Amino acid sequence: DAGVIQSPRHEVTEMGQEVTLRCKPISGHNSLFWYRQTMMRGLELLIYFNNNVPIDDSGMPEDRFSAKMPNASFSTLKIQPSEPRDSAVYFCASRGSALSYEQYFGPGTRLTVT
Amino acid sequence: AQKITQTQPGMFVQEKEAVTLDCTYDTSDQSYGLFWYKQPSSGEMIFLIYQGSYDEQNATEGRYSLNFQKARKSANLVISASQLGDSAMYFCAMREGPFYGGSQGNLIFGKGTKLSVKP
Repeated sequence: DAGVIQSPRHEVTEMGQEVTLRCKPISGHNSLFWYRQTMMRGLELLIYFNNNVPIDDSGMPEDRFSAKMPNASFSTLKIQPSEPRDSAVYFCASRGSALSYEQYFGPGTRLTVT
Repeated sequence: AQKITQTQPGMFVQEKEAVTLDCTYDTSDQSYGLFWYKQPSSGEMIFLIYQGSYDEQNATEGRYSLNFQKARKSANLVISASQLGDSAMYFCAMREGPFYGGSQGNLIFGKGTKLSVKP
């Protein structure tokens, strides 16, 4: 079975550019999570969806960040405009159902904003 | 206040010995779950073990066991017979609230402990 798929794996962009990170959850999973990992702040939840509906976006840093889940098999996290402090590893994770507890993480996207 | 505290930024252990990684948590919920994840240098997050707040037995998964002390709000990870491949960052995490309903779901992570296994 394919796990959570994220693309790109690495992204280098210049400050001010738009960045779009993509995630395909495990088929059949109905919860999707976006996390950000930095040395200073560790792993932080940005937003999560249940059945394609955003449930909690309180972790989204500011209006420059937006996330969508147009269907059960695809989600995007967009940063516009990007800033150097956005440099981090962004993880997507999915979970099977409300009764399951394990979140399966994707390999992450390492974003560098210069 | 931190919800998850991992007080050991880094630890060393000799190959084949056991090691305990500490984790304390803070919650007022009666129903919650505790998790440990491993992050090797390659970067992926690997689920290791889970303990529910109502589970009476400590969770075990192969060489991993979770020493759950509810009154002390601690959920330490014990790795027996350490192997060189165990060298990695280890994160303790908590999910608050009941598991049914689907309205809650996010994990709150600690800062992690870097484990180095010496040959």
